Formats: sequence, C-alpha cells, structure tokens
Amino acid sequence: KNQVEQSPQSLIILEGKNCTLQCNYTVSPFSNLRWYKQDTGRGPVSLTIMTFSENTKSNGRYTATLDADTKQSSLHITASQLSDSASYICVVSNNAGNMLTFGGGTRLMVKP
Amino acid sequence: DTEVTQTPKHLVMGMTNKKSLKCEQHMGHRAMYWYKQKAKKPPELMFVYSYEKLSINESVPSRFSPECPNSSLLNLHLHALQPEDSALYLCASSQVRAVGEQFFGPGTRLTVL
Repeated sequence: KNQVEQSPQSLIILEGKNCTLQCNYTVSPFSNLRWYKQDTGRGPVSLTIMTFSENTKSNGRYTATLDADTKQSSLHITASQLSDSASYICVVSNNAGNMLTFGGGTRLMVKP
Repeated sequence: DTEVTQTPKHLVMGMTNKKSLKCEQHMGHRAMYWYKQKAKKPPELMFVYSYEKLSINESVPSRFSPECPNSSLLNLHLHALQPEDSALYLCASSQVRAVGEQFFGPGTRLTVL
C-alpha cells in the first residue's frame, strides 16, 4: 500500500530559527515528490517538486532534499518568519498514472 | 493566468438544500480534480476529470454530483448533504492526469446544518 508519513506532526519554533521537516514514503514506482504549504482554510501552494534524479531543490528560504534510495525527503526552512506558520504537506506521485498520495502534514507554528 | 479560482469562498446550507460549487482555470489544463479536506487532515481525492470526462470517482456518495461543462470549468452539485460533509472542498488542475504539478484553488468552506 502506498503511504507517506511525515514527522513531526506539529512543531513550534521561534522566529528566525531554522527547522527541518521529514517525509518517508513507500510509494512505488516513484515518479516525483512535492512539498506544499497550506495556510489554514486555504488551498495548498506548491513549494518544490523533485523527480528521481534530483537530490536538492531550493525555493527561497525553503530547501527540499530527496534520497530515493532510502525513500526519504526533508524540507529545511531557514530563518523562519511568522508567515511560515502553516501546514506543510509532502505528496508523492507514482508513475503508473495513478493519483497522488498525501502525507498527514506537519503543522508549523512560528512564534515571535 | 496561473491560478485556479473557486466560488463561493464560504457556503452554509441545510440538509434539504441544493447548491453548487464552482471551479475555473485558464491554464489550458486538461485534468481537474475535486478534493475534500477535513480539519487537520490531508486532502482526500473525490473525483478526477480528464479531457472533460470523469475518469475517477473515489466511491463518493451520490449526494455529490460532479460536472465538467468545458475544459475550463468544473462544478460540484450538492444535494441532501449531511453535517459530516462539512469540510473544505478544494479544486485542482494539472496539464494532464497525474502528470505535472497540481495547482490548487483556495477552496470553498462548506458548513452543513
């Protein structure tokens, strides 16, 4: 069964600090992995999308890594801001033309 | 235009009402999706349209009826809903089904009384 597990479920950090969110998946065969940011009550917004051959991808203060051998990904947020408070969802797609498998998300709260 | 729009933003309806949710995109995408999202949970796929034809129905109750009038529009007709159907309903689109990035709309917050 295709699964995506994220940790931690929730995280509180102080403004200006860095943090790393984790994503482990068992989706096979693998096509790509995406990180989305979702503000409360809003639709998810894509941060990064990585294919099998990509190890790192950055989008401003967000850097995602992918280890296709261990089936792990991480999202590193640098110099956090209050506006980073949101849920971060890891989503994996297989290449069989089936739909996306969503992780449960990490709820991040950045405090001043 | 690189966004997916949804109307209304909020909807409150009784269990006997009939209402519709609307979704629109002008990115030339040929796949469109409806998701249901409960609080603190990831989105759950409901329906997928590919080239204006329903290609996936994830065992959704018949009180939810999707419609794709053309390649830019996607509707979700609601009838005789239950309070447990209250959720955030998200529309998304992608170039073709399951390929490429899915762009999500802002969602419609539905409350069923």
